[in-house]
Formats: sequence, C-alpha cells, structure tokens
Amino acid sequence: DAGVTQSPTHLIKTRGQHVTLRCSPISGHKSVSWYQQVLGQGPQFIFQYYEKEERGRGNFPDRFSARQFPNYSSELNVNALLLGDSALYLCASSLARGRASSYNEQFFGPGTRLTVL
Amino acid sequence: AQSVTQPDIHITVSEGASLELRCNYSYGATPYLFWYVQSPGQGLQLLLKYFSGDTLVQGIKGFEAEFKRSQSSFNLRKPSVHWSDAAEYFCAVGAVGDMRFGAGTRLTVKP
Repeated sequence: DAGVTQSPTHLIKTRGQHVTLRCSPISGHKSVSWYQQVLGQGPQFIFQYYEKEERGRGNFPDRFSARQFPNYSSELNVNALLLGDSALYLCASSLARGRASSYNEQFFGPGTRLTVL
Repeated sequence: AQSVTQPDIHITVSEGASLELRCNYSYGATPYLFWYVQSPGQGLQLLLKYFSGDTLVQGIKGFEAEFKRSQSSFNLRKPSVHWSDAAEYFCAVGAVGDMRFGAGTRLTVKP
C-alpha cells in the first residue's frame, strides 16, 4: 500500500517567489496536516484540513495558505518567500480529525526540502 | 498550552550500550504521547505511542517508553543500541494535526 506521498522532493526558489507543495494522503484518509521543520528543530504545525475545510492553523503568517481537494490531496502555498522559509515541509494524513487514537493515527510523508536563496 | 521538552540535544552511546532519551511534556488533559525517529533527509517514522492503559509501551526496533504522569515524562529506552539506531529522535504530544514536537535529540552511536 502506498504511504503518504509528497512532491517535489526538493525545490530551490529565490526570495519573493511563490511555491506550491503537494501531498497525497494514504487512500481512505480524509485529514491532511502540514508541518514545517527548520534545520535543527522539531516540526511545527502549520495547517490541518479535513473534508476540504481548514480545521486548524498554527502560528504562521498569511503568506502561508493551503487547500484540500475532493480526492483529499492537498497543496501548501507560500507567497513572497523569505530566506527563513527554507525548511523541510512535512505532510501527514490520518483517517479523521481530532484526538489521535489507535484508530486515528497520523502518518508522515518523506517531506519536501525547500531552499530559498 | 501543550509543549514538549527534550533536555538532551545530542547523546553519544557505544554500540551495545543501553539508551535512555528524556522527554517532558506539558498538557492540560490526558496526553497522547509519541516518539518518532528521523534519519537524515527523511520523514518521520513512528516508534511508539501512548494513549491510555499500561504505562510501559513497546514499540518497533526494540524500543520502549514509560509514561510517568507524576513526573510529566515519557522517556524512551532501548537495552542495547545498534549502529543503525543513529538518527534524530522526536517526542511529541497532542492531537492529530496539531501535534507539538520537541526540538529533538540527535543520537550518535560509537563502534
């Protein structure tokens, strides 16, 4: 069975540009979450989407946005890139929203490495 | 507010030696706790999780963790470390989506 997939694997952009990252959840999973992991730190929660609606948002500026499609895949968009946006962006999927449980475990993709020059 | 502290940034152990990675959490309700491992350039792999019940949980790759509510801790242990265990380890707390991670502990294994 395919796990969570993300594309592209690596991306290099310059300051001020826009970037779109993509995530396909595990088949049957309806919740997708995005995390930013800056080098040397733990992942930081950006967004959660469930049934195509935003259900949670972390402490990130409005330059960050996301959406979820009818097939439950998701895009993360970042506008006006800054050097500090360089990070590994992780996508995670789960069956449902809300508290984790043996039923509702979160699975992570391999991430997209974004470098902003 | 929920948060996680991993006091050790970097730990070095000899192959075959025992390992304990520390994790302290702050959470308003019954915490859901996790340990993940991340190899260089890779995503996160779940080692084990605690939701309720037995406070000693077994995970993959021979790892275990013990939940101690009185100490707000969820330390990860392994009796005998293998060279392949060298990686970054993250403790996390919370719900699906809004999961809070510690800063991580980098494990180096000496031959």
